[in-house]
Amino acid sequence: EAGVTQFPSHSVIEKGQTVTLRCDPISGHDNLYWYRRVMGKEIKFLLHFVKESKQDESGMPNNRFLAERTGGTYSTLKVQPAELEDSGVYFCASSHSSAYSPLHFGNGTRLTVT
Amino acid sequence: EDQVTQSPEALRLQEGESSSLNCSYTVSGLRGLFWYRQDPGKGPEFLFTLYSAGEEKEKERLKATLTKKESFLHITAPKPEDSATYLCAVLSGGYQKVTFGIGTKLQVIP
Repeated sequence: EAGVTQFPSHSVIEKGQTVTLRCDPISGHDNLYWYRRVMGKEIKFLLHFVKESKQDESGMPNNRFLAERTGGTYSTLKVQPAELEDSGVYFCASSHSSAYSPLHFGNGTRLTVT
Repeated sequence: EDQVTQSPEALRLQEGESSSLNCSYTVSGLRGLFWYRQDPGKGPEFLFTLYSAGEEKEKERLKATLTKKESFLHITAPKPEDSATYLCAVLSGGYQKVTFGIGTKLQVIP
């Protein structure tokens, strides 16, 4: 079974630019999550999709962040315009439909905003 | 708001020296507690789920236990390959978002 894949693995952009992160979940996983780890802090929840619908986006920092999940398959997270505080590692995770299913994480995208 | 506190933040052990990692939590209605292992440059890898106080789970040299206020990850006779950051996370309330602790960075020296 292929795991969760994220692209790119690293991205360095300047303040004010736009970046789009992509996540391909494990096939058949309806639940898809985005998390972020800022240096020295805990991994924090951003949002949760069930298939193509946003179930919970309470963790999104502000309206510069836009997440989509096309046809309930892959997801993108766009940051526009990027700010210095957006730097961190963005993780995508997916899980089965059961509420207690563990999360399967990708290896993350390390975003650096200069 | 759910809170998860892990201690110690870093732990250095000699190979074969057993120890425990602590995860204390404050949540409204615990539905599950998870332990993950994270290697540098990788995403967290699932280890265990615990659902209720008194529950225990084991995998190789790792054993996770749960009480009403905290969880322990016991490492018996660790090997260098057990070196990693161990993350604790809780699922609570009516949602599926998981709250993570900051992790314990374990180093096992040969």
